[in-house]
Amino acid sequence: DTEVTQTPKHLVMGMTNKKSLKCEQHMGHRAMYWYKQKAKKPPELMFVYSYEKLSINESVPSRFSPECPNSSLLNLHLHALQPEDSALYLCASRNHGDTEAFFGQGTRLTVV
Amino acid sequence: GQSLEQPSEVTAVEGAIVQINCTYQTSGFYGLSWYQQHDGGAPTFLSYNALDGLEETGRFSSFLSRSDSYGYLLLQELQMKDSASYFCAVRGQAGTALIFGKGTTLSVSS
Repeated sequence: DTEVTQTPKHLVMGMTNKKSLKCEQHMGHRAMYWYKQKAKKPPELMFVYSYEKLSINESVPSRFSPECPNSSLLNLHLHALQPEDSALYLCASRNHGDTEAFFGQGTRLTVV
Repeated sequence: GQSLEQPSEVTAVEGAIVQINCTYQTSGFYGLSWYQQHDGGAPTFLSYNALDGLEETGRFSSFLSRSDSYGYLLLQELQMKDSASYFCAVRGQAGTALIFGKGTTLSVSS
């Protein structure tokens, strides 16, 4: 199983809503990542989890709150988002020491 | 910090060969990776170079020159399905997460 599964695939939320994005992998990878990607732009790193601990936060606004409940799961909690936060949110995982990162298909988020 | 430069667009016809260049600046080098992303899809790993030279994987090859902070992805026998965005990437802080270049959109026509 070389899959990273993200749910939901699409999400529309209002600026006052609270929602969560979910990412799951069963490859035993101990590094997991959240990226944000706008149209025609590269993926932009948001958070890095290493052995279930947050190791990097790329100065992401607090309205994005990551969580790693166990080694297979990564969540991104969303609250009071702005329309400019509309983007594709990608989750990725990697084994420490490996070169290849595996990406999920992403959640396409629209904030209205 | 890290910065990577690559051309924004490349066009070619089926059967042709294209080269996508990437120059990088990074504090601490942990290798250069290449990823492909089709519209609406996930980035997928293509190739990785840690040492100077050429790595070949089927129709795709990747080259690295660490002294020049330069690499390229070579795509041979182009097919329509190769139309996609191609990103070079290095690993950021202490070799953790990937930091991507701006991406090159490849359009292959018949």
